[in-house]
Amino acid sequence: GENVEQHPSTLSVQEGDSAVIKCTYSDSASNYFPWYKQELGKRPQLIIDIRSNVGEKKDQRIAVTLNKTAKHFSLHITETQPEDSAVYFCAASREYGNKLVFGAGTILRVKS
Amino acid sequence: EAGVAQSPRYKIIEKRQSVAFWCNPISGHATLYWYQQILGQGPKLLIQFQNNGVVDDSQLPKDRFSAERLKGVDSTLKIQPAKLEDSAVYLCASSRARGEKLFFGSGTQLSVL
Repeated sequence: GENVEQHPSTLSVQEGDSAVIKCTYSDSASNYFPWYKQELGKRPQLIIDIRSNVGEKKDQRIAVTLNKTAKHFSLHITETQPEDSAVYFCAASREYGNKLVFGAGTILRVKS
Repeated sequence: EAGVAQSPRYKIIEKRQSVAFWCNPISGHATLYWYQQILGQGPKLLIQFQNNGVVDDSQLPKDRFSAERLKGVDSTLKIQPAKLEDSAVYLCASSRARGEKLFFGSGTQLSVL
């Protein structure tokens, strides 16, 4: 089955700097890759997703890149703000949104 | 629109006891998921329903876990008997259809003592 590995497990950045979180997946048939943000004690919320027919997607300060050949995808957050502090999860699935397999998460701390 | 509703928010039980969680998905969402999130890990899919039918329960420990979605709306997840390793947050999620975006509930935090 699918296995998703996520790095780093914790990331501290200074406010205004960029943050990058990387994930690798094992199933070459996976074609949907969402990213979720989870604040302490709250529900995971979808922040951006990408499908395998594109290599990059951007939404304001957040972007995701996908390298299908290498089977890895990354989340990029620019101009980080304290409210970006949370746990971020990547996920992958064969069928858009179906049977998501999640990474272990990255704790992002933005220091002001 | 209203989100995915779950109850209770917290539950503390002793091992070998039984517990049940309830989920009400977003209105009109045909697909419903139960995930288990152990502290420090990503959510793991336990079971997926399409309307009132089970699509995937391959990772559900069927000797102790059961779930149902009668009438294709609300769902309940039951653990009987509970073990210490069942301590986790149980997240319910729904989507309008298979292949559409998931919306998560706030979860039920279970502590088994």
